[in-house]
Amino acid sequence: SQTIHQWPATLVQPVGSPLSLECTVEGTSNPNLYWYRQAAGRGLQLLFYSVGIGQISSEVPQNLSASRPQDRQFILSSKKLLLSDSGFYLCAWSVRAGTEAFFGQGTRLTVV
Amino acid sequence: EDQVTQSPEALRLQEGESSSLNCSYTVSGLRGLFWYRQDPGKGPEFLFTLYSAGEEKEKERLKATLTKKESFLHITAPKPEDSATYLCAVQAQIKAAGNKLTFGGGTRVLVKP
Repeated sequence: SQTIHQWPATLVQPVGSPLSLECTVEGTSNPNLYWYRQAAGRGLQLLFYSVGIGQISSEVPQNLSASRPQDRQFILSSKKLLLSDSGFYLCAWSVRAGTEAFFGQGTRLTVV
Repeated sequence: EDQVTQSPEALRLQEGESSSLNCSYTVSGLRGLFWYRQDPGKGPEFLFTLYSAGEEKEKERLKATLTKKESFLHITAPKPEDSATYLCAVQAQIKAAGNKLTFGGGTRVLVKP
């Protein structure tokens, strides 16, 4: 069966520090991969999606970047965090168009 | 631009008091509408996918329905363990979109014993 791993679960980082969040999927090949951010009490905002290795599409201009170095690995990064980068970050995968996405357990990022 | 609006924002129910959540959407060709349940501090958990108007899906006390403009999630005789935020999302037909989901703001449901 397929599983998705996302870490760390919580993270407190100072303003200006770098960020690296990692997500891996097991049990499937060539998944579509996604990074979402959820502000407190709000819906999910799509940040990046990837349909294959090295293929990244950005949905909103921001201080973040994403990379997909391997088929089932998706990384969210920042060179210098801002206070506004605080939030709940969720990685997700789907197998193909028209199918549901499955989410990881999320990373709660607090920038201080 | 695809849009999803959920109402109400919050819902307080007594155990056994049935109710419905609304998800209104505008999308350039609907490929699928998805319902998720999210517990505090956790990632969303998939519940249902609906593809065409008139379709219905059921799971325990939950039933999802779909029209051309909206979807409803009916909760029948809810129990306290049904307390969660319920999220609705749509996926458009456009291939270039990478199968992304556009989410609504969610409905927070609290079921009191």
